[in-house]
Amino acid sequence: EVQLVESGGGLVQPGRSMKLSCAASGFTFSNYGMAWVRQAPTKGLEWVATISYDGSSTYYRDSVKGRFTISRDNAKSTLYLQMNSLRSEDTATYYCTSHSGYYFDYWGQGVMVTVSS
Amino acid sequence: DIQMTQSPASLSASLGETVTIECRASEDIYNGLAWYQQKPGKSPQLLIYNANSLHTGVPSRFSGSGSGTQYSLKINSLQSEDVASYFCQQYYDYPTFGGGTKLELK
Repeated sequence: EVQLVESGGGLVQPGRSMKLSCAASGFTFSNYGMAWVRQAPTKGLEWVATISYDGSSTYYRDSVKGRFTISRDNAKSTLYLQMNSLRSEDTATYYCTSHSGYYFDYWGQGVMVTVSS
Repeated sequence: DIQMTQSPASLSASLGETVTIECRASEDIYNGLAWYQQKPGKSPQLLIYNANSLHTGVPSRFSGSGSGTQYSLKINSLQSEDVASYFCQQYYDYPTFGGGTKLELK
């Protein structure tokens, strides 16, 4: 069974940093692209970033470019999202997903990030 | 960015009824479209990909159709467990989602 378990969320002040992690199991992590998708409270879904299966390619939405970094450790089957210079508009539930570069096959349970002073 | 417009924003239907949700892309997305179901308090789950292919384990009462800029999700014989929000997503370009459709029981 595919499992994606996010961690690392919480309350953070504007301008500070936070790092999210996603532990994967139940599939061959190193064969799959991965992504982060977020959902602001009572809002829709928004793609944030994607990383290729081997980490050689990364893609970001414009609003997080230069602030967020997606990375992975295939030996640990873990995905990361380093978020710097956080803004109030980054407040959302962040989901880890498997991503072939097309649709999002499997989703974690999500982790809440609240940016507020 | 390719804009995805979903309709209706909310929908009320009876058990056993057939419901249809529409999604319009701002340009041709060549069947690069997926549908997701999100139950209250849960994460989204993939239902349909490539506009009309059913994801593993998804009941056959769900189906997708469309082409070009116009796509739809149909749910036959509505069940109580289908109460959820539904989102479309294009992947012809960088991924973008529709605004969602909230489905409730009448």
